[in-house]
Amino acid sequence: DAGVIQSPRHEVTEMGQEVTLRCKPISGHDYLFWYRQTMMRGLELLIYFNNNVPIDDSGMPEDRFSAKMPNASFSTLKIQPSEPRDSAVYFCASSLWDRTDTQYFGPGTRLTVL
Amino acid sequence: DQQVKQNSPSLSVQEGRISILNCDYTNSMFDYFLWYKKYPAEGPTFLISISSIKDKNEDGRFTVFLNKSAKHLSLHIVPSQPGDSAVYFCAASRGHKLVFGAGTILRVKS
Repeated sequence: DAGVIQSPRHEVTEMGQEVTLRCKPISGHDYLFWYRQTMMRGLELLIYFNNNVPIDDSGMPEDRFSAKMPNASFSTLKIQPSEPRDSAVYFCASSLWDRTDTQYFGPGTRLTVL
Repeated sequence: DQQVKQNSPSLSVQEGRISILNCDYTNSMFDYFLWYKKYPAEGPTFLISISSIKDKNEDGRFTVFLNKSAKHLSLHIVPSQPGDSAVYFCAASRGHKLVFGAGTILRVKS
């Protein structure tokens, strides 16, 4: 298996623009997680899905952030409008239903908002 | 509200010696504790875990110790190798959510 795939790997955009980050989880995994890593806050969970259904979005910082999972093999994290403080590395991870402690992370998307 | 804390931002160890990374937590409801390792430009990868009902788990050169009364866990790497140089994240879980510490940068000098 190719592992968790994220695109793009790097994104540079200007304040106010819409940003869409993409994730393809490992086939057969039931859970999908979105994380954000910053120097100030470390690695924090934004939202997670089970069988394509959002379960907990309490980590989403603001209404500017939204996430969808239209099918088992694809998820998006959208920021609209983007702000410089959104600059971070965003990770997607997936896991099996009975081993959500063992999550498989993608390589991340480094987002820079100018 | 940091529920999982790694108070040492970095650690430097000589090759062949023991590396000890520490982690403290505040929530007694956590039921699993884990260590993840992260290399630059890659995502974190699972390293080792321990259930809250155990006090030690060993996997090759890696051993995790859990002291529930002190709400403290540690990762021992023996012997340390240059390839172990990475960022190590401590994490705790309750249900399906992981709460991560800020990470400790380990440098193993050859």
